[in-house]
Amino acid sequence: GESVGLHLPTLSVQEGDNSIINCAYSNSASDYFIWYKQESGKGPQFIIDIRSNMDKRQGQRVTVLLNKTVKHLSLQIAATQPGDSAVYFCAERPPHQKVTFGTGTKLQVIP
Amino acid sequence: GAGVSQTPSNKVTEKGKYVELRCDPISGHTALYWYRQSLGQGPEFLIYFQGTGAADDSGLPNDRFFAVRPEGSVSTLKIQRTERGDSAVYLCASSPTRSETQYFGPGTRLLVL
Repeated sequence: GESVGLHLPTLSVQEGDNSIINCAYSNSASDYFIWYKQESGKGPQFIIDIRSNMDKRQGQRVTVLLNKTVKHLSLQIAATQPGDSAVYFCAERPPHQKVTFGTGTKLQVIP
Repeated sequence: GAGVSQTPSNKVTEKGKYVELRCDPISGHTALYWYRQSLGQGPEFLIYFQGTGAADDSGLPNDRFFAVRPEGSVSTLKIQRTERGDSAVYLCASSPTRSETQYFGPGTRLLVL
């Protein structure tokens, strides 16, 4: 099937290690941020979100950190597994406006 | 429950032809979105429906692209006089309301020869 990972920044991690995927967003007015995971040939899958009144949010094995001062978002995946291999997109949304996606990072998990 | 579904999963057409792409959102979701994704890129917004009306169509690239949602559920994206540059994955997403998380379908892979 097609790959959504062509020409994307790639992060390679050993299975069991923690992964950190970074994203710089562009609009200082954005107040809602989302991380999506996209496997080859599939649509984006929601992972976790965070609103601008928070700087950290945790889910199952994932944590999102938001630094509004430098407009930076990160996704941390604990104990990375082969099934985590995918392209990860951050997305931002200003109030009452459309969602804008970043360019994506390809995560490769080495068994 | 059932997620967002899109048909067809793949569509091959010839330059100049007309195509229709269908999206079935999650039941009860009033907000529906269409995006286009080119290889190696993130999804790009095309149009947003709130109920039956197109609340924001600012992402449609030109007047060859049109979308409808006549009963506030299923939506159809229509592309007239297709061009090779229209080749992409067309993604549909829905959410309970605009302010909530969007859930994506698997996409329709359109190839214009």
